[in-house]
Amino acid sequence: EDKVVQSPLSLVVHEGDTVTLNCSYEVTNFRSLLWYKQEKKAPTFLFMLTSSGIEKKSGRLSSILDKKELFSILNITATQTGDSAVYLCAAFSGTYKYIFGTGTRLKVLA
Amino acid sequence: KAGVTQTPRYLIKTRGQQVTLSCSPISGHRSVSWYQQTPGQGLQFLFEYFSETQRNKGNFPGRFSGRQFSNSRSEMNVSTLELGDSALYLCASSFGGADEQFFGPGTRLTVL
Repeated sequence: EDKVVQSPLSLVVHEGDTVTLNCSYEVTNFRSLLWYKQEKKAPTFLFMLTSSGIEKKSGRLSSILDKKELFSILNITATQTGDSAVYLCAAFSGTYKYIFGTGTRLKVLA
Repeated sequence: KAGVTQTPRYLIKTRGQQVTLSCSPISGHRSVSWYQQTPGQGLQFLFEYFSETQRNKGNFPGRFSGRQFSNSRSEMNVSTLELGDSALYLCASSFGGADEQFFGPGTRLTVL
């Protein structure tokens, strides 16, 4: 059965810290991996990764995919209180299905 | 361009009733996926439609059904509601390949 596992489940850090969120997957006919940020509303898209080893960056956020070891990481540097959210990763399979992990809840303290 | 819209935003129903939720995708998007989100289970995939065809469905009972119209708008129906159906129902649209999905604001369903 397809599955996506995220770790840690939750994380509390102080402003300015760097965090690394993990996502491992076992998905039939894997096509892409996506990261989303969810605050008290619908998830908002962060990154989509399809190739191994190519880092994607957006400001203080970056992400990379390892298709050999079947995982991805999301890094957030110089964290701010506005980064507090649930971070979701999802794997898209060739059967037109996005499989989501249960998310990592990040809390950034001022 | 306009984002994904969902109606209604909130619904309160009683057990045994049925409900229909609506989702309008981003213009040009032909794929619509539906998810159920609960605090304990996270985002659970319900089904995906592309050009009026269901391409995949998740492990939900037959009480959950959906359809997609020629303009890509989609509806989801839940019949014989149960207390456990209380959740946030999200739809997301994409072009239909291995591309990013964009989510609507969700419909929060409460079953009493």
